[in-house]
Amino acid sequence: AQTVTQSQPEMSVQEAETVTLSCTYDTSESDYYLFWYKQPPSRQMILVIRQEAYKQQNATENRFSVNFQKAAKSFSLKISDSQLGDAAMYFCAYRGPYGGATNKLIFGTGTLLAVQP
Amino acid sequence: NAGVTQTPKFRVLKTGQSMTLLCAQDMNHEYMYWYRQDPGMGLRLIHYSVGEGTTAKGEVPDGYNVSRLKKQNFLLGLESAAPSQTSVYFCASSFRGHDSGANVLTFGAGSRLTVL
Repeated sequence: AQTVTQSQPEMSVQEAETVTLSCTYDTSESDYYLFWYKQPPSRQMILVIRQEAYKQQNATENRFSVNFQKAAKSFSLKISDSQLGDAAMYFCAYRGPYGGATNKLIFGTGTLLAVQP
Repeated sequence: NAGVTQTPKFRVLKTGQSMTLLCAQDMNHEYMYWYRQDPGMGLRLIHYSVGEGTTAKGEVPDGYNVSRLKKQNFLLGLESAAPSQTSVYFCASSFRGHDSGANVLTFGAGSRLTVL
């Protein structure tokens, strides 16, 4: 069974600095999708960034980028120029290749990010 | 342009009572999911549906039932609520397809359920 591990329950960063959140996963699939979701205090789950396993290039979305290491099964999120609005719980998630039963999204336990002014 | 709507947003139940959480999506998504979120445990899949009239168990299905009678609605039922079911419940939906966009889930705002 696939698993997602986030080993950092909490992280803190100074405003305008850079922070990296770690995520590792376990799967026997060769094709899959990885995601980072943000959950602010409003509770709404917001997609931050996604990565297709068949793409070697790391995904970027403005200040957010990932370091995808397929062989190591690692998928870290880098937040540059951190802002107060980045403070939230961040979840790493895995989704298998197309197919009804494997289209489930599997989440890690989350990393709570605090941004210090 | 409502996306995924969950009702109710908050509910307090007594042990043994029953209730139903309603999830409605207006994006014509084939797949729908119910997750529960508990501190330190991330989101865990309760049940899911890959199409109208079909449902399947996730990793924590015990104590819950679901129905998908209409494509746009996915109901989560608790027949006899227990304190262990105190949680925040999230509904999500997605397209069925091969491209990466089809694998993005859209979430509702969550429903906080407390069982006393």
